[in-house]
Amino acid sequence: DIQLTQSPSFLSASVGDRVTITCRASQAISNSLVWYQQNPGKAPKVLIYAASTLQSGVPSRFSGSGSGTEFTLTISSLQPEDFATYYCQQLNNYSGTFGPGTKVEIK
Amino acid sequence: QLQLQESGPGLVKPSETLSLSCSVSGGSIRISNSYWDWIRQSPGKGLEWLGSIHYGGNTYYNPSLRSRVTLSVDTSKNQFSLRLTSLTAADSGVFYCARHVREYQDETGLYHYYIDVWGEGTTVAVSS
Repeated sequence: DIQLTQSPSFLSASVGDRVTITCRASQAISNSLVWYQQNPGKAPKVLIYAASTLQSGVPSRFSGSGSGTEFTLTISSLQPEDFATYYCQQLNNYSGTFGPGTKVEIK
Repeated sequence: QLQLQESGPGLVKPSETLSLSCSVSGGSIRISNSYWDWIRQSPGKGLEWLGSIHYGGNTYYNPSLRSRVTLSVDTSKNQFSLRLTSLTAADSGVFYCARHVREYQDETGLYHYYIDVWGEGTTVAVSS
């Protein structure tokens, strides 16, 4: 089974900061990696799929990169509405492992 | 606009079986590039993918839960369901139904998958 790890698990940042979250897979998954944002009490929302494709309607300050086993989600300039928990997921037609999440809080 | 709505009991006893349904509205469950998922989130914890089902009947399960999870689909009712057996307190949490889609990307020549629609989630407590 493919396992995903995320780092950091928690980060404290200020509005306007550039933030990077890393997701690592236990084996190569090409670019089959999705990033979600979850606010408290809400269902997650897709930000990026295929490692780097921005979902329609998602602000361009979000970007993704990587391939194989290491992936990153970058928020170029953190906005107040971006303080949330971020999850990566390896997803295909037969499995869908999530990473443990990264909580982004206000410094 | 496609919408999903979970339904089922909010409280179940240990050792019993949980049955949840997800009603699909605003579109058909019979879409070839769509897979219908269940995901849960334990209190204060992360997301756990439980499994997927295609309207044609193919099912895919989280290996760690395969022996206790069954997914089914009822195309006549435009809904799909989850059955989780032998419940313990550790199974408590918010259960989401969701759709994940398969999309062909010309740039890579590959299919890519992502969850684009979620239900609002239903909270289940396992307690005597």
